[in-house]
Amino acid sequence: QLVLTQSPSASASLGASVKLTCTLSSGHNNYAIAWHQQQPEKGPRFLMMFNSDGSHYKGDGIPDRFSGSTSGAERYLTISSLQSEDEADYYCQTWDTGIGVFGGGTKLTVL
Amino acid sequence: EVQLVESGGGLVQPGGSLRLSCAASGFTVSSDYMNWVRQAPGKGLEWVSVIHSGGATYYADSVKGRFTISRDNSKNTVYLQMNSLRAEDTAVYYCGRHDWLDPWGQGTLVTVSS
Repeated sequence: QLVLTQSPSASASLGASVKLTCTLSSGHNNYAIAWHQQQPEKGPRFLMMFNSDGSHYKGDGIPDRFSGSTSGAERYLTISSLQSEDEADYYCQTWDTGIGVFGGGTKLTVL
Repeated sequence: EVQLVESGGGLVQPGGSLRLSCAASGFTVSSDYMNWVRQAPGKGLEWVSVIHSGGATYYADSVKGRFTISRDNSKNTVYLQMNSLRAEDTAVYYCGRHDWLDPWGQGTLVTVSS
């Protein structure tokens, strides 16, 4: 069974960069994932999807400050030039034989 | 512009039923995957169900046998029929387009309580 693992929390300073990690469980290295952002008291928003070969696409209006990368079973979301509105929960998501799977989410605090 | 609008949430007693709607605009629901995802208070996102363009449906184990996803192509709307509701089904329910939930709707709150 596929599991997505995310650190519960992360923090970084205003204007700095942060790299969030989503780890695919063993045997699922080649799976594509999506990243979603959920700001406080708001619904989720699609950020980007990312394939294991590095190909990707972003949602409408997502700034260039948001980028993705991959290494083995790990998928990364990097946010540069952090702004206060980036303080949010970030979830990774994928599919496992027709069933949707979410990671537990990472709460990002902007200091 | 692609847009999704959920409706139908509310307060229901345990064991009761509710039908949620997800009205789409800017695209045709029958041409894409359409998902339901929920979020219990203070918790993370939980995928609930999907209907494929070909009509195949899948469910999370937590709702299998109780929830049914369907669509009405003439209304360009996807539904989630929820039966035998439990307290643990209390959540905001979102619909989302495509495998990657792009975009999401704004959500509708379902509260199961006596």
